[in-house]
Amino acid sequence: GAVVSQHPSRVICKSGTSVKIECRSLDFQATTMFWYRQFPKQSLMLMATSNEGSKATYEQGVEKDKFLINHASLTLSTLTVTSAHPEDSSFYICSARQTEISNQPQHFGDGTRLSIL
Amino acid sequence: KQEVTQIPAALSVPEGENLVLNCSFTDSAIYNLQWFRQDPGKGLTSLLLIQSSQREQTSGRLNASLDKSSGRSTLYIAASQPGDSATYLCAVIYNFNKFYFGSGTKLNVKP
Repeated sequence: GAVVSQHPSRVICKSGTSVKIECRSLDFQATTMFWYRQFPKQSLMLMATSNEGSKATYEQGVEKDKFLINHASLTLSTLTVTSAHPEDSSFYICSARQTEISNQPQHFGDGTRLSIL
Repeated sequence: KQEVTQIPAALSVPEGENLVLNCSFTDSAIYNLQWFRQDPGKGLTSLLLIQSSQREQTSGRLNASLDKSSGRSTLYIAASQPGDSATYLCAVIYNFNKFYFGSGTKLNVKP
């Protein structure tokens, strides 16, 4: 079945560092991918919609200059957390939907645990 | 703004019990509704997807129902097992692409 791979699974770094997270659709093409954030004991919140070949669409309250999204191909989207601070520590999950197939469920990656010291 | 509420927040049952998890949403103009399972520190595993035109979906011991008019969905788990222990998330899909997640029900099935 469809698989979405996310890398890395865990990152621990110092405050001020920029961190890049990759989201790949392994056996299907996805013109649209989605990035979510989950704080401890809370549910997933949509951060942005990543569109292949165009600018990402950010949800209200999400800083686009802090969370840079690049969707350069039909199988890869990246999220870069720039100048990360402890409050950015969270669980980041991506999802993707198969292109050209309507009404199909989205497939989620296994997530990236980001810890900023 | 779509709000999704899941009740109860946590549930502990002995092995073998049948149980029901509840999900309610404020905007009935949904596209689909999807139930997921999330194990600690892990991503999401899709369990069941119900299209807005459907009333229920079944997979093995799981049955999900959808009542759009009342803004409710239930996930029924039959003959629960310790391996079912996880957090169950309900997601309402609005406008085809946007997912709104509930805060989840943390299930513990005791052997």
